[in-house]
Amino acid sequence: ETGVTQSPTHLIKTRGQQVTLRCSSQSGHNTVSWYQQALGQGPQFIFQYYREEENGRGNFPPRFSGLQFPNYSSELNVNALELDDSALYLCASSFPGEHSYEQYFGPGTRLTVT
Amino acid sequence: TQLLEQSPQFLSIQEGENLTVYCNSSSVFSSLQWYRQEPGEGPVLLVTVVTGGEVKKLKRLTFQFGDARKDSSLHITAAQPGDTGLYLCAGAGSGGGADGLTFGKGTHLIIQP
Repeated sequence: ETGVTQSPTHLIKTRGQQVTLRCSSQSGHNTVSWYQQALGQGPQFIFQYYREEENGRGNFPPRFSGLQFPNYSSELNVNALELDDSALYLCASSFPGEHSYEQYFGPGTRLTVT
Repeated sequence: TQLLEQSPQFLSIQEGENLTVYCNSSSVFSSLQWYRQEPGEGPVLLVTVVTGGEVKKLKRLTFQFGDARKDSSLHITAAQPGDTGLYLCAGAGSGGGADGLTFGKGTHLIIQP
């Protein structure tokens, strides 16, 4: 069974640029969620994708957007990067329905905005 | 806004000691998960508790969900250096995963040999 994978591992961008992060879900999982974890904090929910549509969103501005593909993999796009966007971005996959809260995380992408 | 507060924030103890960490909220959660996260890695799911008053054991780890489903505790017996890590509690709302999990800030645990 393949776990959740994310790429790239690390990324350095300049303020104002755009970034795309990628995630492959654990085999058998068709729901993907993205979280932002700032240093010293717990992860914060950005949004969730199911059947290629966003079906839940946290308190993040529209410049955070995503996609889910037919193979359940997903992308997180962030436009107009700000210094505060520096964080570990975590992707998590899960089954839909009553156990969708049991989320399995990838290793994350460390984004640094300078 | 649902918030989860974890205590203590930091804990450093000797191998063989027992410890308890707490996760408290003023909100009711439909379920609560505990995760462990090591540096440079994503959180790893340890357990899910769903029913008020539920107790689950995972080897030397005992997890309890409060009767009112607002709080939880994690007790480790005879801690070992391999237990070192960041322990995170996370609550799910009535919408399940679609609402996302609400995480606490975590308890940094160091077990010294």
